[in-house]
Formats: sequence, C-alpha cells, structure tokens
Amino acid sequence: KAGVTQTPRYLIKTRGQQVTLSCSPISGHRSVSWYQQTPGQGLQFLFEYFSETQRNKGNFPGRFSGRQFSNSRSEMNVSTLELGDSALYLCASSLAGGLLAKNIQYFGAGTRLSVL
Amino acid sequence: GIQVEQSPPDLILQEGANSTLRCNFSDSVNNLQWFHQNPWGQLINLFYIPSGTKQNGRLSATTVATERYSLLYISSSQTTDSGVYFCAVRGSNYKLTFGKGTLLTVNP
Repeated sequence: KAGVTQTPRYLIKTRGQQVTLSCSPISGHRSVSWYQQTPGQGLQFLFEYFSETQRNKGNFPGRFSGRQFSNSRSEMNVSTLELGDSALYLCASSLAGGLLAKNIQYFGAGTRLSVL
Repeated sequence: GIQVEQSPPDLILQEGANSTLRCNFSDSVNNLQWFHQNPWGQLINLFYIPSGTKQNGRLSATTVATERYSLLYISSSQTTDSGVYFCAVRGSNYKLTFGKGTLLTVNP
C-alpha cells in the first residue's frame, strides 16, 4: 500500500507570492492533517480535514488555508508569502473516526518551502 | 491546550549503549505516538501507545496514562538510530500536539 505522498518535495518562492501544496493520503484514509515545522517553533498543527470538512484549525493567520477533495486528497495554500513561512510542511493521514477511536497518523515526506 | 515536554533535549551515546527518552503531558490523552524523524525530515511511526507497554525489536515504549508520561527505550543503539525522536499526543480535539523532541546522536 502506498504511503502518504506530498508534492512538490521542494519549493522556492519569493515574498508576496502564493503557493499550493498537495497531499495524497494512504488509500482508504479519510482524514488529512497539515503541520508546519520550523527550527524555532517546532511542529505545529495547521488544520485537519475529514470528508471534505475542516474539523479543527490551529493558530495560524488566514493566509493559510486548505481544502479536501472527495477522493480525500488535500491541498493547502499560503497566500502573500512571508520570510517566516519558510518551513517543512508535513501532511498526515489517518483512518479517522471519533475522538476516542484508534487514530494513528502516518506522515508524508514533507514539502520544504523556502521563501526568499 | 495540552503541553508536551520531552527530555533530555539532546543525548549522545556510543554504539551499543541503552537509552531512555521521556515524554510528560499535561492532560489526559486519547492518542500518544512516538516518531523518529530521519535526516530527510520524514516522520517514521515507532509506536501508537496511549497506555501500556509495547516492544518492537530493540525499541520498546511504556505509557502510564494516569501519571501522564511515556517512556521510549532504545537498547543496543546503532548509528542508524540517530535523529530526532518526537512524542505527540491528542486530547479532546483532532490535532496532535508535539513535544520539542530529543536529538539523539549515536557515535560509532
């Protein structure tokens, strides 16, 4: 079974541009979560989608948005890029279910974004 | 939100040594996972262990949910064990909260 696939792996953008990252979950997984990793802040939760609905959102500005398609694939978009958006963006998928369900998250290899 | 603290922040070992990594969390959790992040950034699942004890080869983990901590044991460490080890927990929402990690360096 294929793992979580993130594209592209590397991206270089300039300030003010926007960027779209893609995540294909493990087959059968319906939940996709996004995380940002930086040396200063560590791993921080961005948002989680289940059945095309955002179920939870972290403390990030509105420039960060996402969506999920009917096939569970997800995209996240960052508009008006800032230097501080340079980070490793990780996507995770899980079978999902209720809060008390066994819900193991599996991560993709990430997209490394550099903003110049 | 839930706070997650990992210790030690850095650990240097000689190949063959054993080690224990600790994860403390501030509230009851539904989910606790240990990950190993390789040099390329990929987070590799080690254990899903909201309670109890599990073993997988040279690695084992124990979570004592009532006392809000988890331990990851690495025995007979190898250079390939080097990297950052993260503990992540999920409480009353759908997000994983990560600790800051333990950077493990195993020297030959």
